[in-house]
Amino acid sequence: KAGVTQTPRYLIKTRGQQVTLSCSPISGHRSVSWYQQTPGQGLQFLFEYFSETQRNKGNFPGRFSGRQFSNSRSEMNVSTLELGDSALYLCASSYGTDNQPQHFGDGTRLSIL
Amino acid sequence: KQEVTQIPAALSVPEGENLVLNCSFTDSAIYNLQWFRQDPGKGLTSLLLIQSSQREQTSGRLNASLDKSSGRSTLYIAASQPGDSATYLCAVPTGANNLFFGTGTRLTVIP
Repeated sequence: KAGVTQTPRYLIKTRGQQVTLSCSPISGHRSVSWYQQTPGQGLQFLFEYFSETQRNKGNFPGRFSGRQFSNSRSEMNVSTLELGDSALYLCASSYGTDNQPQHFGDGTRLSIL
Repeated sequence: KQEVTQIPAALSVPEGENLVLNCSFTDSAIYNLQWFRQDPGKGLTSLLLIQSSQREQTSGRLNASLDKSSGRSTLYIAASQPGDSATYLCAVPTGANNLFFGTGTRLTVIP
C-alpha cells in the first residue's frame, strides 16, 4: 500500500507570494490533517479535513487555508507569504475515526526569501 | 490546556543498551497516545498507538506504556542499534485527528 505522498518536496518563495502544497493520502483514508513544524514552535496543527469538510482548525491566521477533493486528496494554500512561514509542512492521513493512527508523509520544505 | 513534555531533550547511549524515553501530559482526558520517530529531513513514522483502555503496547524491540492517572507514557527500546538514532515524539489527540505533540527526544546510539 502506498504511503502518504506530498508534493513538492522543496519549495522556495519570496515574501508576498502565495503557495499551494498537495497531499495524497493512503488509499481508503478519508481524513487529512496538516501540520507545521518549525525549530522554535515544534509541530503545530493547522487543520483537518474529512470527506471534503474542514472538521478542525488550529490557531493559524486566515492566510492558511485548505481544501479536500472527492478522492480525499488535499491541498493547503498559504497567501501573502511571510518569512516566518518557512517551515516543514507535514500532512497525515487516517480513516478518520477515533483511535486510528495517523500516518505522515515526508513533508514539503518551504523556504521564504 | 494540554501540555506535553518530553525529557530528556537529547540522549546518547552506546549500542546494545536498553533505554527509556519519557512523555508527560497535563490533561489526562485522552483516549490514546501515539509515539513517532522522525529522521532528519523526513516526516514522522508511527511507532505505536496505545488506547486509553490499554496499559502497554509492543512492537518488536519497542514497548510503550500509558498511565493516564499519572499523566505519563514511556517508550522502552531494547538492545538499541545505531539505526534507532532519530528524534522520538509523543502525541495526544486534542480533537478528532488533531494531535498535540511533545517537543521530542533526540536519541543518538553510538556504535
